[in-house]
Amino acid sequence: EPEVTQTPSHQVTQMGQEVILRCVPISNHLYFYWYRQILGQKVEFLVSFYNNEISEKSEIFDDQFSVERPDGSNFTLKIRSTKLEDSAMYFCASSALPQGYRQPQHFGDGTRLSIL
Amino acid sequence: EDKVVQSPLSLVVHEGDTVTLNCSYEVTNFRSLLWYKQEKKAPTFLFMLTSSGIEKKSGRLSSILDKKELSSILNITATQTGDSAIYLCAVDPSSNTGNQFYFGTGTSLTVIP
Repeated sequence: EPEVTQTPSHQVTQMGQEVILRCVPISNHLYFYWYRQILGQKVEFLVSFYNNEISEKSEIFDDQFSVERPDGSNFTLKIRSTKLEDSAMYFCASSALPQGYRQPQHFGDGTRLSIL
Repeated sequence: EDKVVQSPLSLVVHEGDTVTLNCSYEVTNFRSLLWYKQEKKAPTFLFMLTSSGIEKKSGRLSSILDKKELSSILNITATQTGDSAIYLCAVDPSSNTGNQFYFGTGTSLTVIP
């Protein structure tokens, strides 16, 4: 069964450094998402992306964050200058059609980001 | 503010028991409610519910939506140790265009042999 793949599985970075988290969505999916989950807390929406542009973003997704689909398969999340509070599990998800057509989002295994 | 609340927060049962997990929501508009199972890593999709009163079943798991009560339950019968996980409820409000979900904090289920 097709799946969303994320790399790396764990990233350790010094505060202030830039990180890029990578995702390969399911190949025929058109909608891509990033979520994060701080340890012990709920899964929180960051951003959704369709047709090469952001369709929605949350308050968490400030100027330090950016997303890109650099080629036909990868979808990346960049954090420009990491802070301690960025430490979390970051999940990428994709779906074939928007929820109005009743297609669920499928999640990758996540990248655990640890900021030192 | 849109909100999704799950109860109980955690549950410990013995193998063979039946459990019922609850999810209630307050959203501006409602399109669908989804249940996910989260073990060590990715949430994996279980059910999507859009119509009130129609039960979705998959093996020992079943779920039903009550739009009048703004809630859903997830039932697991004859629990097994492999059912141990965090069960997440997510709501898709139709008011947004980005198709984000609002997640609850989850119910942590532990099934002991």
